[in-house]
Amino acid sequence: EAQVTQNPRYLITVTGKKLTVTCSQNMNHEYMSWYRQDPGLGLRQIYYSMNVEVTDKGDVPEGYKVSRKEKRNFPLILESPSPNQTSLYFCASSDRLPGNTIYFGEGSWLTVV
Amino acid sequence: DAKTTQPNSMESNEEEPVHLPCNHSTISGTDYIHWYRQLPSQGPEYVIHGLTSNVNNRMASLAIAEDRKSSTLILHRATLRDAAVYYCILREGAGAQKLVFGQGTRLTINP
Repeated sequence: EAQVTQNPRYLITVTGKKLTVTCSQNMNHEYMSWYRQDPGLGLRQIYYSMNVEVTDKGDVPEGYKVSRKEKRNFPLILESPSPNQTSLYFCASSDRLPGNTIYFGEGSWLTVV
Repeated sequence: DAKTTQPNSMESNEEEPVHLPCNHSTISGTDYIHWYRQLPSQGPEYVIHGLTSNVNNRMASLAIAEDRKSSTLILHRATLRDAAVYYCILREGAGAQKLVFGQGTRLTINP
């Protein structure tokens, strides 16, 4: 079954404590990306990756890092989380061709206190 | 970046057709038009996509204007399970292939 798996699904953490949200896909997709979703703002892209070792900033990259060492994994790293990073995060993957379906994970609820 | 504009909300009755509009006046020639929907507490789910021609699948139909500056998602017979937020998304056909999300339309289906 085609899947994009995120972990953790729910997390409450404190300001400044580094955390990583993992994302893994089982479809051998080249393209992966991270979004955050906030009330009234819709989904905004944080980072994306066109292939292994190729990453680029989306619209709201500040405070986040990513890495793409393997094709299947695309972790999102918050080096020093702040309360304004409290949000719902989604990972997505697809083949590179723009006409292909994009698969989204189930989301990770992150609260920074 | 190309942007999309959708109505904030729409309402329809069960078993009636629903037409969800999307404007994308700055679309480029290689951008694909994707539609996704999102149920509460879930990730967006694929509905349909197209480039220039109208498209049909088991879930919906996509009507694309001749100048490609707008499109309409058509749900032929809405059910209560179709109540969701619907997103019209442009996917760049060249370069970075960023996804540009609109604000989405919250669709309410009345029994």
